[in-house]
Amino acid sequence: GAGVSQSPRYKVAKRGQDVALRCDPISGHVSLFWYQQALGQGPEFLTYFQNEAQLDKSGLPSDRFFAERPEGSVSTLKIQRTQQEDSAVYLCASSLGLAYYNEQFFGPGTRLTVL
Amino acid sequence: AQKITQTQPGMFVQEKEAVTLDCTYDTSDQSYGLFWYKQPSSGEMIFLIYQGSYDEQNATEGRYSLNFQKARKSANLVISASQLGDSAMYFCAMRENSGYSTLTFGKGTMLLVSP
Repeated sequence: GAGVSQSPRYKVAKRGQDVALRCDPISGHVSLFWYQQALGQGPEFLTYFQNEAQLDKSGLPSDRFFAERPEGSVSTLKIQRTQQEDSAVYLCASSLGLAYYNEQFFGPGTRLTVL
Repeated sequence: AQKITQTQPGMFVQEKEAVTLDCTYDTSDQSYGLFWYKQPSSGEMIFLIYQGSYDEQNATEGRYSLNFQKARKSANLVISASQLGDSAMYFCAMRENSGYSTLTFGKGTMLLVSP
């Protein structure tokens, strides 16, 4: 079956522009996670959803970052007024549930470059 | 304190040899899961192997095995018979049972396999 998909794969934005990154999770996966991966680092948690409910957004670096999952399936991560420090790979993952043993399946990521 | 520590920024191994990638973790939870992911240059996170905190046997998946030493809080990945395609970044990650847990990643180890 289809895995997690993300679009666009690459995004170049001028500083100050708004961007929207899309994630299509695996069908039936109720949990969805967003991570930010800076160059040469491990992914860091941003936020996650259980169905349409955003249960934790403590990892969002500033109020310029906003995520939604209105129908409990597709999710969008929006970054307003992008800054150079926002340049990173944004990874989306989905899983069957929130239990510690539930594997998270990752998408290919969106590489964001802010000029 | 770091929850996941990977002390080897880079490792070199010759094709067909075995290699061990180190990972130590820190948690006060009794229930947790440990995961290893591979990230090739294409950027996708590929799940390799999982070890639950209550699993008495070390996990194995093909050429991958996890050397789980609970008292020492270590979860080293062993790759047997290395192949050129194993060259990639490898991340150790943990998911704890407390609260709504997400994955916490280490900084990763870059593995290079030479002919």
